Amino acid sequence: AQSVTQLGSHVSVSEGALVLLRCNYSSSVPPYLFWYVQYPNQGLQLLLKYTTGATLVKGINGFEAEFKKSETSFHLTKPSAHMSDAAEYFCAVTAATGGFKTIFGAGTRLFVKA
Amino acid sequence: GAGVSQTPSNKVTEKGKYVELRCDPISGHTALYWYRQSLGQGPEFLIYFQGTGAADDSGLPNDRFFAVRPEGSVSTLKIQRTERGDSAVYLCASSPGTSQSTDTQYFGPGTRLTVL
Repeated sequence: AQSVTQLGSHVSVSEGALVLLRCNYSSSVPPYLFWYVQYPNQGLQLLLKYTTGATLVKGINGFEAEFKKSETSFHLTKPSAHMSDAAEYFCAVTAATGGFKTIFGAGTRLFVKA
Repeated sequence: GAGVSQTPSNKVTEKGKYVELRCDPISGHTALYWYRQSLGQGPEFLIYFQGTGAADDSGLPNDRFFAVRPEGSVSTLKIQRTERGDSAVYLCASSPGTSQSTDTQYFGPGTRLTVL
């Protein structure tokens, strides 16, 4: 069975500061990992995903995440926050052995201060 | 092109009533998913369709919940004898169906269901 833990339901950063949103997963089989973002009054959209190959994954809007198997982590980072990054971010996992379910974390709301 | 659409955007009903929530996926997407999102939580998987068939319905909470996709496109989530605990945002997503595990899912805006 898979599970996802996002540390911190709320994160606040200043504009221009580093963004770090934490995600740890639990999976009995090799995982596929995703970050989705939900802007106010919009549907969820994919930021980036790890399937196979390079463990450092780059996504849209300058975000990237690194799959660290030894730490069972998939933290999301962005070097410099913009006001437009304010949104809710969800980490998710699916199984690499034909599983159909995507398991989402509880989400982290990012606030960006001017 | 058009994204995933869901109707209605909001639904208010009384306890015990029957409701239907509709999802129109992206044209050509064979995979369709339903999720439920409660306040302060991430989306919770309900059911997955590949074509017309439900490939995994293990997330449906009980037999009051049922979903269909008769022609492999539009899907309807049906809830009988609604309870206050069913209040949530119901999300629909679709994907190309190439790989259940790695496909990007494209989400609709959701239907907010309120049971009074």
